[in-house]
Amino acid sequence: KQEVTQIPAALSVPEGENLVLNCSFTDSAIYNLQWFRQDPGKGLTSLLLIQSSQREQTSGRLNASLDKSSGRSTLYIAASQPGDSATYLCAVNSGTSGSRLTFGEGTQLTVNP
Amino acid sequence: DTEVTQTPKHLVMGMTNKKSLKCEQHMGHRAMYWYKQKAKKPPELMFVYSYEKLSINESVPSRFSPECPNSSLLNLHLHALQPEDSALYLCASSQDGQGRQPQHFGDGTRLSIL
Repeated sequence: KQEVTQIPAALSVPEGENLVLNCSFTDSAIYNLQWFRQDPGKGLTSLLLIQSSQREQTSGRLNASLDKSSGRSTLYIAASQPGDSATYLCAVNSGTSGSRLTFGEGTQLTVNP
Repeated sequence: DTEVTQTPKHLVMGMTNKKSLKCEQHMGHRAMYWYKQKAKKPPELMFVYSYEKLSINESVPSRFSPECPNSSLLNLHLHALQPEDSALYLCASSQDGQGRQPQHFGDGTRLSIL
């Protein structure tokens, strides 16, 4: 059974800092890995999707990497802003039926002005 | 603004009531999903529809009954729910059900069972 772990559970940084969120998974047989952000009381916003054959994806100030063999992914946020404050969720897509997302517990990020 | 629309945003119901949650997308996606999210926890998959057919049921109790009337709509019919079913119910869609494309989520329905 796939298990996804995110470290740290919570992170508080001053505005402008670069930061890294970590995600690890137990079964390397994945289709892809997706990073989401969730604001309080809201749904999930997709940030980046990395296919199993890719090493990294970039979107603006966000960069996600994937090391499938070691079961790790990182989300790098450059020049953090207060608007980045949210919970960040990592989800791996695996299983014989395709679209079955398994989520980590999330990292709650606070960026202080 | 999300491209997956869920209604209602909030729902309060008694344990003997029957209600339905609705989800709609107009992105031409052919796979749709229901997730349940308890407070401070990640979403948990409930059902997957691929090309309007139920492809995954994660051993969800029968008091939850999904329905996919067409490729744009997904319903979740609720009957005789328990207080522990109170949660945020999230709908998502993706281009197909093969897992290669990202899932897009709605803002959810916050359900409270009295």
